[in-house]
Amino acid sequence: DTAVSQTPKYLVTQMGNDKSIKCEQNLGHDTMYWYKQDSKKFLKIMFSYNNKELIINETVPNRFSPKSPDKAHLNLHINSLELGDSAVYFCASSQPTEYEQYFGPGTRLTVT
Amino acid sequence: AQSVTQPDIHITVSEGASLELRCNYSYGATPYLFWYVQSPGQGLQLLLKYFSGDTLVQGIKGFEAEFKRSQSSFNLRKPSVHWSDAAEYFCALNTGGFKTIFGAGTRLFVKA
Repeated sequence: DTAVSQTPKYLVTQMGNDKSIKCEQNLGHDTMYWYKQDSKKFLKIMFSYNNKELIINETVPNRFSPKSPDKAHLNLHINSLELGDSAVYFCASSQPTEYEQYFGPGTRLTVT
Repeated sequence: AQSVTQPDIHITVSEGASLELRCNYSYGATPYLFWYVQSPGQGLQLLLKYFSGDTLVQGIKGFEAEFKRSQSSFNLRKPSVHWSDAAEYFCALNTGGFKTIFGAGTRLFVKA
């Protein structure tokens, strides 16, 4: 059973399009995250949700909008995609008092 | 502000040789510290963590790490490297909240 899953695994799209990435965790965790990993492997947190409430929003452009319909899901919608959005996006989850995070396999987004 | 520094961008080790990956952190108190591994095309997987107590912690896949408060370090070690250990390794820090700060990563190459 996959603990943290993301769909799709690959996403190729053109500038200006709108796309979504979905994330689901079956670990019963209360906290979920979105990270962006650039081509140099640098991992930067974008958003964190705890019990469906937005906790962290790390100066991410408004074109990125996370949505947490329930504690097990955290989706990421991106409007008006730009070349600089090309990266690997990781979803992760954790329990608030344990801090260790469980990562999904990543979604490689390529904007052309 | 808290930070994590991994001084080595990449390291090459012969198979069977010992390994040490360096990690230094900046924080006024003792943080929660982690090492994660990312194999090519995969998400991050937790290798080990330090919260308190014994400063030498054991992890999965034969890895261990030692917390040294005086040096603000949390170096990762393995006595004998296997070719399958080739991956990107990330040191990370959490100060008890929802945000985990990751180092820039160290890429490990293993030569036969």
